[in-house]
Amino acid sequence: RKEVEQDPGPFNVPEGATVAFNCTYSNSASQSFFWYRQDCRKEPKLLMSVYSSGNEDGRFTAQLNRASQYISLLIRDSKLSDSATYLCVVNPGYNTDKLIFGTGTRLQVFP
Amino acid sequence: NAGVTQTPKFQVLKTGQSMTLQCAQDMNHNSMYWYRQDPGMGLRLIYYSASEGTTDKGEVPNGYNVSRLNKREFSLRLESAAPSQTSVYFCASSPGTAVEDIQYFGAGTRLSVL
Repeated sequence: RKEVEQDPGPFNVPEGATVAFNCTYSNSASQSFFWYRQDCRKEPKLLMSVYSSGNEDGRFTAQLNRASQYISLLIRDSKLSDSATYLCVVNPGYNTDKLIFGTGTRLQVFP
Repeated sequence: NAGVTQTPKFQVLKTGQSMTLQCAQDMNHNSMYWYRQDPGMGLRLIYYSASEGTTDKGEVPNGYNVSRLNKREFSLRLESAAPSQTSVYFCASSPGTAVEDIQYFGAGTRLSVL
């Protein structure tokens, strides 16, 4: 089983739609969680960290469910500019420095 | 506002050739990393360095060597390139002090080995 698993998509949604991605992780001792965004042929960039209580940044909401070992990302009122690949990233905790990256979920927002 | 700088951006090698990918960060970070990204595989860690003078293997170290020249610079060397090393290579850095640390990435090097 992969340490971090994501649905690869693609998710094709119209502008204005709400879309949600889930990600599961295998190590119950995992310490911290992130969503990164990667545009085509670009480097990954942090979208948001995911906190136990859940957190929101504008149209983006991240949730963590430790009991079921999954993380979610909700995007409301999708924009064309949200088209990208979203990477679920986990620090498994056994080494402060290492992150485990999911393979990414591709989102395509159409007019 | 440079952040993490990688050179070169593109490179084509013939099988058996050697080359060094350069990476430098100006954020005074302790930790630096080299990843490769292949279609359907996600980012895989090749080597990392938790501090100046230390390096450790990641998930896919075979065929690569690294040098943490100083706190700013972390280079990746391919001694004898193979077609299987065709990939996009990313360097990253982080403060390296806590599990909540964010990694910051360079723009990547697209390498083709013929």
